[in-house]
Amino acid sequence: QTVVTQEPTFSVSPGGTVTLTCGLKSGSVSANHHPSWFQQTPGQAPRTLIYSTNIRSSGVPARFSGSILGNQAALTIAGAQADDESDYYCVFFMGSGVWMFGGGTKLTVL
Amino acid sequence: EVQLLESGGGLVQPGGSLRLSCAASGFTLSNYVINWVRQAPGKGLEWVSSLRDDATTTWYANSVKGRFTISYDNSQNTLYLQMNSLRAEDTALYYCARDYDWNFDVWGQGILVTVSS
Repeated sequence: QTVVTQEPTFSVSPGGTVTLTCGLKSGSVSANHHPSWFQQTPGQAPRTLIYSTNIRSSGVPARFSGSILGNQAALTIAGAQADDESDYYCVFFMGSGVWMFGGGTKLTVL
Repeated sequence: EVQLLESGGGLVQPGGSLRLSCAASGFTLSNYVINWVRQAPGKGLEWVSSLRDDATTTWYANSVKGRFTISYDNSQNTLYLQMNSLRAEDTALYYCARDYDWNFDVWGQGILVTVSS
């Protein structure tokens, strides 16, 4: 049962802007879920981009931003570059120490 | 430099046990919440377990509850994940990750566990 939902695939043109979303199968996402976003390229450990909804992790360019849009968490990438082509994962804090990841979005830049 | 380094992975038969280690350098593990996150081959990330900075409060995913145990050895500045009653579906790359103020800010490089006969 997939509780945290993400688009399986997405594509963006170089220089374009893309918004990936992350929702709950049941209920709305809020700041209390402390949404985080991670980027992962093949063979590498995940890299944290955004935590607690909209705080950029150290060294992450400003063209990556996080927000809550409606009832979902969102990651917006502006000015997409070729090396943004990666898998992107979100995670929510579900309470009682438990985190749940989404299934990931494979982003293609073409 | 702040780093996490996993070790202890390998091939184990179904029903067997394995203990993973996550050694910290550049910081004191017990001052943070530390998580184990795994990734099955070709699949997404799955949170497995956390140990709180009080060194006693633990949390587990339902998929591993009752089979896995997370713990610290402060003298070694190392986190462990004792995995018992292993199943084929536990086959994955296991990462440890530091949680600093809701930020998974430091990740290890991962260690592979393969459960197969």
